[in-house]
Amino acid sequence: DVKVTQSSRYLVKRTGEKVFLECVQDMDHENMFWYRQDPGLGLRLIYFSYDVKMKEKGDIPEGYSVSREKKERFSLILESASTNQTSMYLCASSPTGQGWDSPLHFGNGTRLTVT
Amino acid sequence: LAKTTQPISMDSYEGQEVNITCSHNNIATNDYITWYQQFPSQGPRFIIQGYKTKVTNEVASLFIPADRKSSTLSLPRVSLSDTAVYYCLILAGNKLTFGGGTRVLVKP
Repeated sequence: DVKVTQSSRYLVKRTGEKVFLECVQDMDHENMFWYRQDPGLGLRLIYFSYDVKMKEKGDIPEGYSVSREKKERFSLILESASTNQTSMYLCASSPTGQGWDSPLHFGNGTRLTVT
Repeated sequence: LAKTTQPISMDSYEGQEVNITCSHNNIATNDYITWYQQFPSQGPRFIIQGYKTKVTNEVASLFIPADRKSSTLSLPRVSLSDTAVYYCLILAGNKLTFGGGTRVLVKP
C-alpha cells in the first residue's frame, strides 16, 4: 500500500512565522500535490510537482511556496504565516501512468492553526 | 474549464443501495472520472475510476453513459461505516480539482 506521511498532525504557529509542512511518499511516485481544505470550500490545490525540482502553481498559490529536492519529499512553505492560512493541509502523490488522471494517494493531513 | 456538480448531501439506511450522480458537462475527450471517499480527520481515499460504460470493484460500481456528461457512483448495501463525503473529480486543464462533495449519512 502507498504510504504518504505528513510530518505533523497538528501545528500551532504565530503570525509572521515561517512554517514548513513536510510530506514524504514511499512509492516512487512522480507527482506530488498540496491541497488545503476548509469548511464549505472543499479541497483547493495550492501547488503540485511532476518531477524533482519542478513545480506548478495550483489555484491558490499566493502566500505559499514549495520545494522538491528529492523525489519522495515535497515541502510546503508558508513564508510569513497569517491567520487566514489556518486550515487543514493535505499532501498527495500519484504515479505518472495515466498522466494527471492517475489516482491520488493522500496523507492524513496537518491541521495548522496560526494565532 | 471542466467542472463537476453533485448533490450536497443525501441520507440512506443500512443495507440500502446509494447512488450519487455527478454532472460534468465539459468533460474532455480523454479525461477519466474518479471518485474519492473522505472520513473526518482523514485524507480522501480513492474508490473507483472509469472512462466509459461500467466499472465495478469490490467497493463500488461506476456507471457512465455514452455522452459522458454525467456519472453515477453506486454503493451497494451501505453500512454505518460508509458515512462519509464522496467527491467526483475530472481534470480541469492539468489540475485535479475537487468540488464540494456529497455528504452521505447512513442511518441505522
